[in-house]
Amino acid sequence: DSGVTQTPKHLITATGQRVTLRCSPRSGDLSVYWYQQSLDQGLQFLIQYYNGEERAKGNILERFSAQQFPDLHSELNLSSLELGDSALYFCASSALTAYGYTFGSGTRLTVV
Amino acid sequence: KNEVEQSPQNLTAQEGEFITINCSYSVGISALHWLQQHPGGGIVSLFMLSSGKKKHGRLIATINIQEKHSSLHITASHPRDSAVYICAVRGYGGATNKLIFGTGTLLAVQP
Repeated sequence: DSGVTQTPKHLITATGQRVTLRCSPRSGDLSVYWYQQSLDQGLQFLIQYYNGEERAKGNILERFSAQQFPDLHSELNLSSLELGDSALYFCASSALTAYGYTFGSGTRLTVV
Repeated sequence: KNEVEQSPQNLTAQEGEFITINCSYSVGISALHWLQQHPGGGIVSLFMLSSGKKKHGRLIATINIQEKHSSLHITASHPRDSAVYICAVRGYGGATNKLIFGTGTLLAVQP
């Protein structure tokens, strides 16, 4: 157990639907990062939150949104899902970037 | 051209062999990470480097900041080392805390 908890582990849903992925960071870590890993694009940064505030944005689609709550857990919301959104979604957390990152085990999303 | 390039993309080795995976990057970085991902599994952080060399068990990671190059070495390789090894770099502070990933090296160690 890395200390970063992601739920659910697997998710199968239909095109057009909306899903929410959840991430609980390692205890004490204030930063949460979301990454998408697809077969054709590899690992890509989506968005970062630090202590409840959005800190950086990457290649995140407008259909996707995220937030970090006061208890520091984060949710990634994916809406109007398309087949191409099928991927592994990873969450990582860090206390300070000088101390590195801890990754969760990922959520495998399959859109059918 | 990708900002982070890894070579080789695929590597097959016999158990016991010495393995080297290379990573070159084209951006200024504050740190470089080596990550390991087993098939269908999560990502484990192996090393974070900003200079020099680090060793953990049979794994050694080196970085040359001037040449913008890093290597991951595995000594006395074992089938359980079979995984995808990913190089990732982090820019400087502020909005660039994100990691930029290489495409990964798929390592298969045969018994």
